Amino acid sequence: DARVTQTPRDKVTEMGQEVTMRCQPILGHNTVFWYRQTMMQGLELLAYFRNRAPLDDSGMPKDRFSAEMPDATLATLKIQPSEPRDSAVYFCASGLAEGPNTGELFFGEGSRLTVL
Amino acid sequence: AQSVAQPEDQVNVAEGNPLTVKCTYSVSGNPYLFWYVQYPNRGLQFLLKYITGDNLVKGSYGFEAEFNKSQTSFHLKKPSALVSDSALYFCAVRYTDKLIFGTGTRLQVFP
Repeated sequence: DARVTQTPRDKVTEMGQEVTMRCQPILGHNTVFWYRQTMMQGLELLAYFRNRAPLDDSGMPKDRFSAEMPDATLATLKIQPSEPRDSAVYFCASGLAEGPNTGELFFGEGSRLTVL
Repeated sequence: AQSVAQPEDQVNVAEGNPLTVKCTYSVSGNPYLFWYVQYPNRGLQFLLKYITGDNLVKGSYGFEAEFNKSQTSFHLKKPSALVSDSALYFCAVRYTDKLIFGTGTRLQVFP
């Protein structure tokens, strides 16, 4: 059963620390998205990749957030330094950019980040 | 800019009654519209989509949605609600490769 895998599921850290979240997209999917979910802002698109190339990261605070896809099986989202306002659930999703299933994204279970 | 609006934060319905979760859209060109569901502590799951063709789209778990171009709406419906349908529902519009989500509507189905 193909699924998007995210680690860690839960992370508690202190302000100023570096946080790295990882995502393994579904094999064969060529688009990968990072979303952030909070009660106040809802679902925000942070960044996305197509064929591993970053296409849009306008939703990310550039000074502290970075997103990369070092290979087709791994996407990372890094926060350095972390701040309490970064506390949220971070979702990775993958999908296909072409074909009849375009737009049908598969989401991971999320990484819940708490910054103290 | 492409956007969707979900005017209701919460919808309450009794089990066995029909349910409707509302969504309106604002897009340039032909809209690609989606519904996703999120259960507690889980990621979002795809329910259904409208690309073209029939205005009534059928999806997973007995849900359907009606596309109405004149009212720019894409409401989610189910003829008979189940307690297990209680979850957070998101409407979305596709823009280039991206999905732009609404704010979500919490559906509560009471026994």
